[in-house]
Amino acid sequence: GAGVSQSPSNKVTEKGKDVELRCDPISGHTALYWYRQSLGQGLEFLIYFQGNSAPDKSGLPSDRFSAERTGGSVSTLTIQRTQQEDSAVYLCASRHGQGISANVLTFGAGSRLTVL
Amino acid sequence: TQLLEQSPQFLSIQEGENLTVYCNSSSVFSSLQWYRQEPGEGPVLLVTVVTGGEVKKLKRLTFQFGDARKDSSLHITAAQPGDTGLYLCAGGTSGTYKYIFGTGTRLKVLA
Repeated sequence: GAGVSQSPSNKVTEKGKDVELRCDPISGHTALYWYRQSLGQGLEFLIYFQGNSAPDKSGLPSDRFSAERTGGSVSTLTIQRTQQEDSAVYLCASRHGQGISANVLTFGAGSRLTVL
Repeated sequence: TQLLEQSPQFLSIQEGENLTVYCNSSSVFSSLQWYRQEPGEGPVLLVTVVTGGEVKKLKRLTFQFGDARKDSSLHITAAQPGDTGLYLCAGGTSGTYKYIFGTGTRLKVLA
């Protein structure tokens, strides 16, 4: 697509439930990133993919968080047994990896997660 | 752990004033990017600097990468209400393509 698409844009869930957040990157972008942003602050790195592999998943806060990417395209971030501290905006970005815009991260609008 | 600290955290100024935002780290980065984010949207890239001491200008915005590639600054001349937003620096490390973002500076320019 023309831009990075994230869904849902808003998700309200109850503590203890599982949630899935989806990211559809720009077609042809080889790298995909997940970040978390709390209260309009800076971005906290979670994980990034090069193709379908995740060279660095060091930012995942706990084993309740997991992510996968299939077909070098769509990625899903799953949070199991959600806690209130998981409430945040989850941002996805993709990067082409080649050419003049090789290192430009293009972000989606984010998925706002609220855990009650 | 690589950290990027930005200062100030918040800044509210009158239209026409000048300002500087700082981005500091104890780590060396191969590149430093600046993004601006508006409410309800993702960050949008403003500039990338890759050489120690490099200065880039984008209209009224001037970006500088420190000589040791550990820090950067963003200077805005004659700020306008349209400059309002959250400014984020991001450091890149060669070979890993992992980008670490700063703590953010929220700028409000009053008309």
